[in-house]
Amino acid sequence: GQQLNQSPQSMFIQEGEDVSMNCTSSSIFNTWLWYKQDPGEGPVLLIALYKAGELTSNGRLTAQFGITRKDSFLNISASIPSDVGIYFCAGQRRSGGTSYGKLTFGQGTILTVHP
Amino acid sequence: EAQVTQNPRYLITVTGKKLTVTCSQNMNHEYMSWYRQDPGLGLRQIYYSMNVEVTDKGDVPEGYKVSRKEKRNFPLILESPSPNQTSLYFCASSLWGGDLNQPQHFGDGTRLSIL
Repeated sequence: GQQLNQSPQSMFIQEGEDVSMNCTSSSIFNTWLWYKQDPGEGPVLLIALYKAGELTSNGRLTAQFGITRKDSFLNISASIPSDVGIYFCAGQRRSGGTSYGKLTFGQGTILTVHP
Repeated sequence: EAQVTQNPRYLITVTGKKLTVTCSQNMNHEYMSWYRQDPGLGLRQIYYSMNVEVTDKGDVPEGYKVSRKEKRNFPLILESPSPNQTSLYFCASSLWGGDLNQPQHFGDGTRLSIL
């Protein structure tokens, strides 16, 4: 099935540093989502993007919907220890038919923040 | 409290012994979905349901069945489990208004081990 390529797979950074991660696809998505998963819990939605070129912020998080609709980026500014976790991108196509409700996730980026 | 509840949280069983993982949500959500999470692969969608009696395959449906007889429940059935179905499973739900502008709420996960 369709896969999203998410990079980097892991990051080790110092507290206060900025973080960037991205997702790319070989085909177009109409919606891009970014989730964070803490250990032992389910993913929690951070940001949703619905239009090509859209730039959306949520506190220290900023995400962009690529203009080609085949990629998306997530940036975290001034990282803090509680940013630790796994970050996932996810894409959805808003086409008709039976694939309308399918959500495809990237492989995840494991973020470690050293105090 | 709004939540998605999965049971059991942990299960160790043997190959071929039918099992069911239940999922229930109390938010009157139309959309429900099952995912499996494996290291390095992120979350992969197994099945989803856009409303009662409406279900469809995700990216990895082989070996699984689902049903949606009531709005609140979406059980995942493994008729004849095999070791390659050992994984961490998540159920999720969201409102469905014709697009995905409502966040998916995830359960806390079910860790299955098939021996």
